[in-house]
Amino acid sequence: AQKVTQAQTEISVVEKEDVTLDCVYETRDTTYYLFWYKQPPSGELVFLIRRNSFDEQNEISGRYSWNFQKSTSSFNFTITASQVVDSAVYFCALSGSSNAGGTSYGKLTFGQGTILTVHP
Amino acid sequence: DAGVIQSPRHEVTEMGQEVTLRCKPISGHNSLFWYRQTMMRGLELLIYFNNNVPIDDSGMPEDRFSAKMPNASFSTLKIQPSEPRDSAVYFCASNRDRVDGYTFGSGTRLTVV
Repeated sequence: AQKVTQAQTEISVVEKEDVTLDCVYETRDTTYYLFWYKQPPSGELVFLIRRNSFDEQNEISGRYSWNFQKSTSSFNFTITASQVVDSAVYFCALSGSSNAGGTSYGKLTFGQGTILTVHP
Repeated sequence: DAGVIQSPRHEVTEMGQEVTLRCKPISGHNSLFWYRQTMMRGLELLIYFNNNVPIDDSGMPEDRFSAKMPNASFSTLKIQPSEPRDSAVYFCASNRDRVDGYTFGSGTRLTVV
C-alpha cells in the first residue's frame, strides 16, 4: 500500500520568507514517481513537478526547488522568497511506475495537503 | 490543447436524484482517472481506466456510483441515487501510459441537498 504524509497542515509566512513543505512517503514499489501539485483558491490542480525514484538529483525551477532523499523517503518542496500569489494548498503525491506491475501502478496517491498562506 | 474538460462545473441536486458527471480527456492520453475531494478525506481515487477499460474501481464508495468510458474521448461518473454525503468536488484527470504527468480538469462541484 502506498501512503503520503504531509505533516504540516497549515503554514503561514510573511512575503519574501523562504518556506519548506515536507513530504514523506511509503511504498513497496522499487520504482515509483513523486509529484507536487498546487491548488490555488480557484480550485484547479496545477502540476508542478514529477520525479522518478531513480533520479535523486535536486531540482530548481525559478523560486521553487525540490529535495528528494530516498534514504529518508522524503520529497520536500521549498519556495524561496515567497510571494502572496504562492498562497495555495500544496499536495505531494506518489504513483507506482511501469516496472512495479503491482496494484499501485498508475494510481496517484495524494497526501492531505499543506495550506500555505503568504501574508504581504 | 484544450486540456481535460469536465462538465458541469457546478451541480446542485436534490437527494435521491441521479447525477451524471462528464469528462473529456486530452487527445492521445490513454488513461483516465476520477478523483473526489472532500475536506474530511482529501483527494481520493475512485476509479481509473486504461485504454477505455476499468483497471481499478476499488475506490468507488458503493454501488450507487458507476463509471463508464465508452470511447477514448469520453467518460461519465454517475451517482444514483445521490445523497448529501456525496457532496464534493469531483476531478477527472488523464495521462499517457499511466505514469506520465497527470493533467486534471477544473473539477465539478457537486452539492446534494
